[in-house]
Amino acid sequence: DAKTTQPPSMDCAEGRAANLPCNHSTISGNEYVYWYRQIHSQGPQYIIHGLKNNETNEMASLIITEDRKSSTLILPHATLRDTAVYYCIVRAGGFKTIFGAGTRLFVKA
Amino acid sequence: DAGVTQSPTHLIKTRGQQVTLRCSPKSGHDTVSWYQQALGQGPQFIFQYYEEEERQRGNFPDRFSGHQFPNYSSELNVNALLLGDSALYLCASTLVTPNTEAFFGQGTRLTVV
Repeated sequence: DAKTTQPPSMDCAEGRAANLPCNHSTISGNEYVYWYRQIHSQGPQYIIHGLKNNETNEMASLIITEDRKSSTLILPHATLRDTAVYYCIVRAGGFKTIFGAGTRLFVKA
Repeated sequence: DAGVTQSPTHLIKTRGQQVTLRCSPKSGHDTVSWYQQALGQGPQFIFQYYEEEERQRGNFPDRFSGHQFPNYSSELNVNALLLGDSALYLCASTLVTPNTEAFFGQGTRLTVV
């Protein structure tokens, strides 16, 4: 499984966009990029995933670079409830999901 | 539609004892994975079950074993508990096919004393 690199922590002002980067330079052609978040020891929550095209859903947008070596998760209007640890993961199909350390996002009023 | 459910939510055991944790996958999912999450760390993959067989395994000792039933539900068993086994144990379900997300349960908080 490809490894990912994320900054350990980030701050964001409430109401502003939160842009969380992820580096996955060794990603394989059949591996998808997934984002999850975990709020205070609850189970991780699925946010979004993509292969090579940009994706958007009701929670966030995912921007994947053309070479697929990095991606950015965008929370368009961050709220205090978005404070969490965000995990960027690459995996193929139904295979195991390997978590890194993630990015701890602090949304401040 | 119920998501992934785990039981019990909390558990306290004594060193040397054995424990069984249970997981019911999201409806329609056929693959179950188990994770151990120590405080302040990301979840660590234990193993994955599909078609009632262990498909993949992480770096965990044989004290950790599992089972998947015909209805896709799963159990995680840990023998000879150690203090270091205290953690949040997470179950995730998905489909084996590509382009499907995994859904996680809320976990079982195991404390070994």
